[in-house]
Amino acid sequence: DGGITQSPKYLFRKEGQNVTLSCEQNLNHDAMYWYRQDPGQGLRLIYYSQIVNDFQKGDIAEGYSVSREKKESFPLTVTSAQKNPTAFYLCASRQTSGLGELFFGEGSRLTVL
Amino acid sequence: AQKVTQAQTEISVVEKEDVTLDCVYETRDTTYYLFWYKQPPSGELVFLIRRNSFDEQNEISGRYSWNFQKSTSSFNFTITASQVVDSAVYFCALSPWGTGNQFYFGTGTSLTVIP
Repeated sequence: DGGITQSPKYLFRKEGQNVTLSCEQNLNHDAMYWYRQDPGQGLRLIYYSQIVNDFQKGDIAEGYSVSREKKESFPLTVTSAQKNPTAFYLCASRQTSGLGELFFGEGSRLTVL
Repeated sequence: AQKVTQAQTEISVVEKEDVTLDCVYETRDTTYYLFWYKQPPSGELVFLIRRNSFDEQNEISGRYSWNFQKSTSSFNFTITASQVVDSAVYFCALSPWGTGNQFYFGTGTSLTVIP
């Protein structure tokens, strides 16, 4: 079945450690996105990519990094520079032609100990 | 400026009641799309509906209906005869044509349906 796979679903990290969240899609979508969700808040855009080897910062990119070496993959690294990384992270993708809807993965919950 | 406002933070209804979730948006683009998503406790956002700015027809899908009014920049969502399974957080989102495929989400409305 086509969809978006995020891993891991739950992740614990010690302060000062970098951690990478995986996002893979087999929908053949051009655009991919990373959002952060905090309790009681909406989705805030971290990074997005419309094409391989290109990506743009969203509203809260500081302390995060991404790469887009393959169309199917858009990993997000939460670096030690991110001051408050505990959150729920959602990856999404979209077909850019026709402004279709975003398809979301199941999310990754990161907790910093 | 692009913005989506969901003024209702939390709503509780008793099962079988009707409930309307409000969504007001701001954009200067004349071509845009509006969306509603459902986020159950599992966390994954589930797509419910997409509407483009040139189609103001209301839509009904089972117990769900949507009312799009450009004059008031609103895209409200009504659930008829609510059920416990409708309990979730609902997000309204805007995607203007001229913003490079960006989405703008509201802060969500948490709906609890009490049995």
